[in-house]
This record gives sequence, C-alpha cells and structure tokens, in this order.
Amino acid sequence: KNQVEQSPQSLIILEGKNCTLQCNYTVSPFSNLRWYKQDTGRGPVSLTIMTFSENTKSNGRYTATLDADTKQSSLHITASQLSDSASYICVVSPMGYYGGSQGNLIFGKGTKLSVKP
Amino acid sequence: NAGVTQTPKFQVLKTGQSMTLQCAQDMNHEYMSWYRQDPGMGLRLIHYSVGAGITDQGEVPNGYNVSRSTTEDFPLRLLSAAPSQTSVYFCASSWDTQETQYFGPGTRLLVL
Repeated sequence: KNQVEQSPQSLIILEGKNCTLQCNYTVSPFSNLRWYKQDTGRGPVSLTIMTFSENTKSNGRYTATLDADTKQSSLHITASQLSDSASYICVVSPMGYYGGSQGNLIFGKGTKLSVKP
Repeated sequence: NAGVTQTPKFQVLKTGQSMTLQCAQDMNHEYMSWYRQDPGMGLRLIHYSVGAGITDQGEVPNGYNVSRSTTEDFPLRLLSAAPSQTSVYFCASSWDTQETQYFGPGTRLLVL
C-alpha cells in the first residue's frame, strides 16, 4: 500500500534555530514529492515541488531534499520565525501509467512545528 | 483573482440530510480535487477531476458524489449525511496534476 510517513509528529524549537523534518514514503514509481505548510484553521499552502529526478528545491528559508533511492525527503527550515509555527505536510504523487502524475496525491499526517520566542 | 472559494464556511446537518459543498476557482485550472481532514489524520482524497466532464474516485469516495460541468466549479454532494462525515473539507485546484495546488479556506461540517 502506498504510504507517506512523517517524523517527528511534533517539534518545539526556539526562534532563530534551524530544524529538519523527515518524510519516508513507499510510493513507487512516483511523479513528484511536495511539501505544504498548513496554518491552524487554514488550507495548505505549497512550499516546494520536486520531480523524481530532482535532489533539492529551495523556497526562501525552506529547503527540501529528496533521495529517491532511499525513498526519503527532508524539509530544512533555516533561522526559524514565530510565523513558521504550523503543520508541515509531505505529499507524494504516484506516477500514472503513461508517465506524469495520476492525480491521486497521497498525504502524510504532517509534523506540527511550534516556534517559541 | 479570488483564487479558490468554498461555501459555506460552516454547516450543521442532521443525520440523513443531504447537502452540496460548493467549490469554485477563477484561475482556469483543469485539475480540481476534494479532501477531508480529520484530527490525527492526513488529508484524504475524496474525488478529483482532471477537466470538465471527467471525474474519478480518490481514497474515500463512499457517501459523496461529484460532477464537473464547467472548468470553474466542482461541487461535492453528500447524499445522506452520517456522523462519520463530520470533518473539515478542502477543495483544491491546479493547472494539472504536476503543478502547484491552491487550496480553498475549507468548510467545517458537523453531522449530528
């Protein structure tokens, strides 16, 4: 069964510190891997999208890495800010029969990050 | 652009009632999808559409119907509401299945 597992479930860090969130997946083959940020009570917002052939993708202080051989991805947040407090969700898109994405994205349960002053 | 809009924001239903959750986007996106989000669980795909007239089932389609008569609109119908359908529902759209998804603000549904 296609699965996406994230760790840790929750994390508390001090403002200004860095942190790394992990994502392991069993989806194979896959078309792309995404990271989303979801603030409490809001819809998810896309941070990065990486195809299976990409190793890293940055968006400001957010850097995602992908190791397709070990089926692992990580999201590194640099110099955290109070506004980074949110859930971070890893999403994998299975590859369709003719290539590209099937359309049925598989979501992890997310890592809840709290940044304290 | 309004982006992705969802109505209503909040709804209370009695078991057995039916209702339609509305979703609209003004970005001319082909791909639209519906998710539900329950505490302690990731978002789960209910139904999706890769274009007008084309829909397909996701992970948890039972109890829900969809149609896509226009590019802009993708309503989700609850045929006979059950307490297990109490959840937050999100609609999302993108150019295609490879591109960035834009999510709506969500509809909170409580079924008594």
